[in-house]
Amino acid sequence: SAVISQKPSRDICQRGTSLTIQCQVDSQVTMMFWYRQQPGQSLTLIATANQGSEATYESGFVIDKFPISRPNLTFSTLTVSNMSPEDSSIYLCSVELILAKNIQYFGAGTRLSVL
Amino acid sequence: KNQVEQSPQSLIILEGKNCTLQCNYTVSPFSNLRWYKQDTGRGPVSLTIMTFSENTKSNGRYTATLDADTKQSSLHITASQLSDSASYICVVTRNSGNTPLVFGKGTRLSVIA
Repeated sequence: SAVISQKPSRDICQRGTSLTIQCQVDSQVTMMFWYRQQPGQSLTLIATANQGSEATYESGFVIDKFPISRPNLTFSTLTVSNMSPEDSSIYLCSVELILAKNIQYFGAGTRLSVL
Repeated sequence: KNQVEQSPQSLIILEGKNCTLQCNYTVSPFSNLRWYKQDTGRGPVSLTIMTFSENTKSNGRYTATLDADTKQSSLHITASQLSDSASYICVVTRNSGNTPLVFGKGTRLSVIA
């Protein structure tokens, strides 16, 4: 297994501002992902964070709104830009370990509320 | 279309009772199926993972079954405890392509005293 540290755990933000969420893993990982979980809904994949290159975004998500960085194998950030109340969600980091492929482990999530 | 359907949407049971959650999927090509438990405000935690050839997998009081022919899975919880109150999410992994994980919407289980 792996210890995934995600922070902040929660935040309340004003409309129009941006928030950067960090994800740090204590093991070597192959893949890192960012998900969004809106209230009462299941998880939706935002993007795959690629080390040293641009993230791969899913349909409906764009880099200008959700810029992602992954400078090394064990760290990634997701920024929610120019926030609106519709961005209020739980944002989750997920990883796939080198030693346990095909199993995704999730961080505790960041609960974001936008006023 | 790749989909995972879970039922019931929500369930309330008395502490100590058993319950079974259902998952039907239309995902292909199939790689594996997982059940996750997600406590309120937390990230999902894996309970079981089953590949095509596995019919049953247990993890303590949790027992998952898989019928790859009918594309159905169930999660049985025995002797429920208050701490079992959570959302249970069925996730199917595709063997290829982008967006490899297909998530169900989950079953919200409430265990009451």
